[in-house]
Amino acid sequence: SQTIHQWPATLVQPVGSPLSLECTVEGTSNPNLYWYRQAAGRGLQLLFYSVGIGQISSEVPQNLSASRPQDRQFILSSKKLLLSDSGFYLCAWSAAPGGQFFGPGTRLTVL
Amino acid sequence: SQELEQSPQSLIVQEGKNLTINCTSSKTLYGLYWYKQKYGEGLIFLMMLQKGGEEKSHEKITAKLDEKKQQSSLHITASQPSHAGIYLCGADSGGSNYKLTFGKGTLLTVNP
Repeated sequence: SQTIHQWPATLVQPVGSPLSLECTVEGTSNPNLYWYRQAAGRGLQLLFYSVGIGQISSEVPQNLSASRPQDRQFILSSKKLLLSDSGFYLCAWSAAPGGQFFGPGTRLTVL
Repeated sequence: SQELEQSPQSLIVQEGKNLTINCTSSKTLYGLYWYKQKYGEGLIFLMMLQKGGEEKSHEKITAKLDEKKQQSSLHITASQPSHAGIYLCGADSGGSNYKLTFGKGTLLTVNP
């Protein structure tokens, strides 16, 4: 069966510090991968998606970047965090038009 | 771009009562997905609907997609405290990237 992992679970970072959030998927090959941000416990905003290694599509201009160095690894990064980067970050995977499956999320607080 | 509107935004019911959450799309839906989320956790996949008039059930939760494929409803029968959480609908864009657009969610509280 497929599983998806995210870490860390929670993170508190000062403004201007770098960021690296990691997502890995097990039990499937060549999945589509997605990064979302959820504010105030509600609607999800798609940040990035990837259909293959090294292929990244950005949905919104922002202070963040994404990379996919391996087939089942997706990384969300920032060189300098802003207060507005605080939120709940979710990674998801999909391998067919049958829905996306989500990781447990990372709660990021920027102070 | 496709937009999804969910109603109501929040709902408080007494345990044992039935309830319905609605999701309306601005465009024809290729696929409609229902998820449940507890605060601070990831989304749990509930059901997928693709055909007009389709209806699916799992335990006490039933989801329907209308014939025009622009509206879906999620119905919970005899609600329990375990049903509490945020329910989100997501719509398939129809592309090979399988991107989903989500509604803003419905917060369900079930009082014992």
